[in-house]
Amino acid sequence: SQTIHQWPATLVQPVGSPLSLECTVEGTSNPNLYWYRQAAGRGLQLLFYSVGIGQISSEVPQNLSASRPQDRQFILSSKKLLLSDSGFYLCAWSVHSNQPQHFGDGTRLSIL
Amino acid sequence: AQTVTQSQPEMSVQEAETVTLSCTYDTSESDYYLFWYKQPPSRQMILVIRQEAYKQQNATENRFSVNFQKAAKSFSLKISDSQLGDAAMYFCAFTDSNYQLIWGAGTKLIIKP
Repeated sequence: SQTIHQWPATLVQPVGSPLSLECTVEGTSNPNLYWYRQAAGRGLQLLFYSVGIGQISSEVPQNLSASRPQDRQFILSSKKLLLSDSGFYLCAWSVHSNQPQHFGDGTRLSIL
Repeated sequence: AQTVTQSQPEMSVQEAETVTLSCTYDTSESDYYLFWYKQPPSRQMILVIRQEAYKQQNATENRFSVNFQKAAKSFSLKISDSQLGDAAMYFCAFTDSNYQLIWGAGTKLIIKP
């Protein structure tokens, strides 16, 4: 069966520090991969999605970037975090864009 | 613009009763997919049910069923025999022309014992 791992679960970072959140999927090949951000009490905002290695699409211009160095690995990064980067970050995968997305447990990011 | 509207920020229901969560959406596409996800306090996002827009038959999944009205662009979720474990935020979503999900703001469902 397929599983998705996302870490860390919680992260507290100072303003201006770098960020690296990692997500890996097991049990499937060439998945679509997604990074979302969820503000408190709100729906999900798509940040990045990828349909293959090295193929990244950005939905929202921001302080963040994403990379897919391996087929089942998706990384969310920032060189310098802003206060507005605080939130709950979710990684997800799907077999195809029109198939249900399956989510990791999320990372709660707090910027001080 | 493609949007999803969940007009009920919060709903409450007595345990074992039935509740319906509303969702309307706006799209010019004729072929798309609709989803309901639940997010319990643990914050994990869990798929509840999926509906293909080209199918007239409403999807069902155990105690969960939808009322899909394509012309009205309405996609409500009915939960029968509500259980305490159903307490969560419920999000409605559909695929846009690029097959990316457009999400509603969510409805918080409270189950009264």
